[in-house]
Amino acid sequence: NAGVTQTPKFQVLKTGQSMTLQCAQDMNHEYMSWYRQDPGMGLRLIHYSVGAGITDQGEVPNGYNVSRSTTEDFPLRLLSAAPSQTSVYFCASSYGGQSYEQYFGPGTRLTVT
Amino acid sequence: KQEVTQIPAALSVPEGENLVLNCSFTDSAIYNLQWFRQDPGKGLTSLLLIQSSQREQTSGRLNASLDKSSGRSTLYIAASQPGDSATYLCAVNPINLGGGGADGLTFGKGTHLIIQP
Repeated sequence: NAGVTQTPKFQVLKTGQSMTLQCAQDMNHEYMSWYRQDPGMGLRLIHYSVGAGITDQGEVPNGYNVSRSTTEDFPLRLLSAAPSQTSVYFCASSYGGQSYEQYFGPGTRLTVT
Repeated sequence: KQEVTQIPAALSVPEGENLVLNCSFTDSAIYNLQWFRQDPGKGLTSLLLIQSSQREQTSGRLNASLDKSSGRSTLYIAASQPGDSATYLCAVNPINLGGGGADGLTFGKGTHLIIQP
C-alpha cells in the first residue's frame, strides 16, 4: 500500500492564481481531511469528508473548496490564492471516521507571492 | 472549544536519558488521543493511539498514558537516542455532540526534542 499520497510536494503561486492540491489513499478509508500547518499555530482543520459525496467545513475553510467524488481521492482547490494561504498542507485519512487512527500524507509546501 | 497544550515547547537532553512529554486538553469529551512524530520538512508519523476507555499504550521504548478526567496525557520515551530527535505532536479527537464542532483532530503546537549524542 502507498498509504496517503499528495502532489505536488512544492508549489509557488502568484496572488490570484488557482490550483488544486491532490490527495489520494489506497486503504479504502471513508474519512479524509485536510489540514494546514503554520509556524506557531499548529495544525488546523480546513475541510473533511466522511465518505464519497459528503464534505463539511473545518476550522479554517475560507478560500478553499473540496469535493469527494470517489473514496480514494480528496482534492483541495484554491480558487484565488492569497499570501495568507502560504503554508504546509497535509491530507489525512482514517477507516470509518473520527474514532480511528489517522494517517497523514507527506505534505505540500505552498508559497503564494 | 477544545484546546490542546504541550509542555515543554522545546527540550534538549543527553542521549540515554528517560524523558516525559506532556499534553493537556480542556474538554474530556474525546474519542481518543494520538501522539505523532514529525521530522523537519516531513509529514506526521503516528506513534500511539489511546482510545478514551484506555489508560495507556506501549510501543517499544514509547509509553503513552491518558487521564481523561484530568485532561492529561504523557508520552514517556525510555533510553533516548539521537534518532528520537523530532517534534512530537499530541492531538485529541473530540466528540461533537451536535454542538456544531468540526469532525477532526485538535492539535497541540508540539514539543521540539533534541537528543544530544
